[in-house]
Amino acid sequence: DAGVIQSPRHEVTEMGQEVTLRCKPISGHNSLFWYRQTMMRGLELLIYFNNNVPIDDSGMPEDRFSAKMPNASFSTLKIQPSEPRDSAVYFCASSRDKITDTQYFGPGTRLTVL
Amino acid sequence: DAKTTQPPSMDCAEGRAANLPCNHSTISGNEYVYWYRQIHSQGPQYIIHGLKNNETNEMASLIITEDRKSSTLILPHATLRDTAVYYCIVRASNTGTASKLTFGTGTRLQVTL
Repeated sequence: DAGVIQSPRHEVTEMGQEVTLRCKPISGHNSLFWYRQTMMRGLELLIYFNNNVPIDDSGMPEDRFSAKMPNASFSTLKIQPSEPRDSAVYFCASSRDKITDTQYFGPGTRLTVL
Repeated sequence: DAKTTQPPSMDCAEGRAANLPCNHSTISGNEYVYWYRQIHSQGPQYIIHGLKNNETNEMASLIITEDRKSSTLILPHATLRDTAVYYCIVRASNTGTASKLTFGTGTRLQVTL
């Protein structure tokens, strides 16, 4: 099993540019989660999907952030326009659609907005 | 979800058991206790979880008190590779769908020679 795959692993961009982060969950997993980690705020959930449908997006910081899951094997997190305060490590995780199933995290994308 | 309280840091000598405490005094009857860890620059990694009974797997043991208000994660023979931030998370069991994890600040475990 390849695990959760995220791309790119590192992204450096300038303020105002559009950034798209990608995630491929583990095959057979029905839930997908996007987290953000910063020194100040720690690890926080942004949004999660179940069967490709967004269930809870209360953690999405503002309208500049959007997430999609067009099919069971792919999700994107987009920031437009990006700002320096968006600099963080973004993690994607997936799990099976069971009550107590564990979440498996990807390696993360380190985003730096200059 | 119930909040958890963990010491910010702990040290452990290599080869010794590491006992990481977690307080979750407001836990509800349907909430599980989960432990994850995050090694530097990596994504969080699942360790173990439990509801009422003590649990053991190849990585660790989880001891939950009878009143469920606290728990202890035990790494029986800590190695340098166990140096990480350990998160204790209380997670509600929803009916039919996966539920989110709420991470606190965790315990930074430093394993030394």
